[in-house]
Amino acid sequence: DAMVIQNPRYQVTQFGKPVTLSCSQTLNHNVMYWYQQKSSQAPKLLFHYYDKDFNNEADTPDNFQSRRPNTSFCFLDIRSPGLGDAAMYLCATSRKLLNIQYFGAGTRLSVL
Amino acid sequence: DAKTTQPNSMESNEEEPVHLPCNHSTISGTDYIHWYRQLPSQGPEYVIHGLTSNVNNRMASLAIAEDRKSSTLILHRATLRDAAVYYCILIDSIGGANSKLTFGKGITLSVRP
Repeated sequence: DAMVIQNPRYQVTQFGKPVTLSCSQTLNHNVMYWYQQKSSQAPKLLFHYYDKDFNNEADTPDNFQSRRPNTSFCFLDIRSPGLGDAAMYLCATSRKLLNIQYFGAGTRLSVL
Repeated sequence: DAKTTQPNSMESNEEEPVHLPCNHSTISGTDYIHWYRQLPSQGPEYVIHGLTSNVNNRMASLAIAEDRKSSTLILHRATLRDAAVYYCILIDSIGGANSKLTFGKGITLSVRP
């Protein structure tokens, strides 16, 4: 039973066309994270929500934004995707900030 | 920032034990040692964590050196499904910048049938 669900698994968008990736969780965890993983690289944290509090990493581009309308859902919005934004995007949750993180299977984004 | 050093890759035979090393010579007293793994085309998966004492769970064992400057993840009987990238990560229990998951390059484990 998947506990962190990311849809879609594969997403294709056009250069400059806004795209939204979604994540849902059944764990009722307080914290939700978004990571970017480019090919052959390690995952890199973009930002996280602790409940409704948004925490952006210092080097996350302004092009990336996030929304968390309720406990279960979190969205990653890429306002104007560039070719360099093609990557796997991973969502994770944890009960609290220092707890074990549970990851979804990821959404692989292609930018044409 | 406390950091970890891992070999790039390791090979193992199926059904044999695997010892994955990790060096963390600048570890602080409040850093927990976490291991995650990432199977191909999947998100990372928590494996195990510890502070000072050796730890066992259904997936693996974690052996921590007495000076805590190194640790070893032990898979007791490797299977083909254990082929993955294994990440050794330090997380500061106090919080702050070092309390998040900062993935390094990890070690790529290959398992031979």
